[in-house]
Amino acid sequence: QKEVEQNSGPLSVPEGAIASLNCTYSDRGSQSFFWYRQYSGKSPELIMFIYSNGDKEDGRFTAQLNKASQYVSLLIRDSQPSDSATYLCAVGDGEKLTFGTGTRLTIIP
Amino acid sequence: SAVISQKPSRDICQRGTSLTIQCQVDSQVTMMFWYRQQPGQSLTLIATANQGSEATYESGFVIDKFPISRPNLTFSTLTVSNMSPEDSSIYLCSVDGPLLGSADTQYFGPGTRLTVL
Repeated sequence: QKEVEQNSGPLSVPEGAIASLNCTYSDRGSQSFFWYRQYSGKSPELIMFIYSNGDKEDGRFTAQLNKASQYVSLLIRDSQPSDSATYLCAVGDGEKLTFGTGTRLTIIP
Repeated sequence: SAVISQKPSRDICQRGTSLTIQCQVDSQVTMMFWYRQQPGQSLTLIATANQGSEATYESGFVIDKFPISRPNLTFSTLTVSNMSPEDSSIYLCSVDGPLLGSADTQYFGPGTRLTVL
């Protein structure tokens, strides 16, 4: 049974600070790693993906992957109130995705 | 990314009835997936809808309960059969994206919110 673990939160971060979201996974054969943002009542929206060890930056978002530790994280710089949402970590094996339970992030103005 | 629509967006149904949910994509895609998201929970994959062949179901989901059609590369349906209140959930379709040739990159439709009384 492949597992993806996330701290459910809620995680509260002051506006303008860095939000750090973490995810661990059980399957060492996992190939691809994704972060989705889900606003309340909406469907998940893909915001980042990463395939190789290291960091990948896109605007205010940075995804970090450490396959040896089976750990993937998402950093959000200069957090804005609009970043308040649930963030889902997903891990792919080449055929399908396994999702974590999500971390609820609240940005405090 | 592809534009994905689902019908209906929400419905309230009586137990014992069936509901068919449609998923339409504005471009041809290889893979289409159906997920369930129960209140406060994460996404659970129900099945992968394959064009020209039977759907591939995940453990705990069976064709009799969740029959799926995939008549072409832009359309799929999921039927929730003989519904009970436990089937109340959001049902989401997703499609694989063209990014980097990865079958894992998925984009989601807006979802169908189902309530069974």
